[in-house]
Amino acid sequence: SQQGEEDPQALSIQEGENATMNCSYKTSINNLQWYRQNSGRGLVHLILIRSNEREKHSGRLRVTLDTSKKSSSLLITASRAADTASYFCATDRVFGNEKLTFGTGTRLTIIP
Amino acid sequence: GAVVSQHPSRVICKSGTSVKIECRSLDFQATTMFWYRQFPKQSLMLMATSNEGSKATYEQGVEKDKFLINHASLTLSTLTVTSAHPEDSSFYICSASDSTRGSYNEQFFGPGTRLTVL
Repeated sequence: SQQGEEDPQALSIQEGENATMNCSYKTSINNLQWYRQNSGRGLVHLILIRSNEREKHSGRLRVTLDTSKKSSSLLITASRAADTASYFCATDRVFGNEKLTFGTGTRLTIIP
Repeated sequence: GAVVSQHPSRVICKSGTSVKIECRSLDFQATTMFWYRQFPKQSLMLMATSNEGSKATYEQGVEKDKFLINHASLTLSTLTVTSAHPEDSSFYICSASDSTRGSYNEQFFGPGTRLTVL
């Protein structure tokens, strides 16, 4: 499967600042999701955005989707030390039988 | 709800031995389970998809005779790494979905199993 790409690969910001991560993918999709993974742990589902949606909010999270550019962004506002983790986007394809293709991930470090 | 467990969380084995990893859906029936592999500081790569009662579908490049997957019930899938070698050392994560839940079959992820082959 072809992976999407995320940038930046790593991001360090001060606590309280906003963090923006980008994800690009290669095929037509049904949905795009963002997950968080703390070191050595499983994945926590953050938010799902459908292909016919352009923006979605959940608490301090804001996700955008541009299907024409095959890209998405995740914005975390007012970052906290607990937000330190790796963040992955994942897409499922049209007629893809629910299989998820994960991006390369962004390692976010929040500096207290 | 929608909790997925994995056992063991960590396992260390000698080269040449086989290791079995269990993935259980605790509060829902998992019609489909997925197995992923993750190397350090890398992304998740799908290894195979299994549907209850049928043979698993493996991704290109994944050896089905080396990574045996069994999905014998709606709450349990197992991944057996046969004749493990050091290059099989990795973080293995399962996920489960229930196709009866609605239009979108969300995957719920287990906490992962860290395999180290000496």
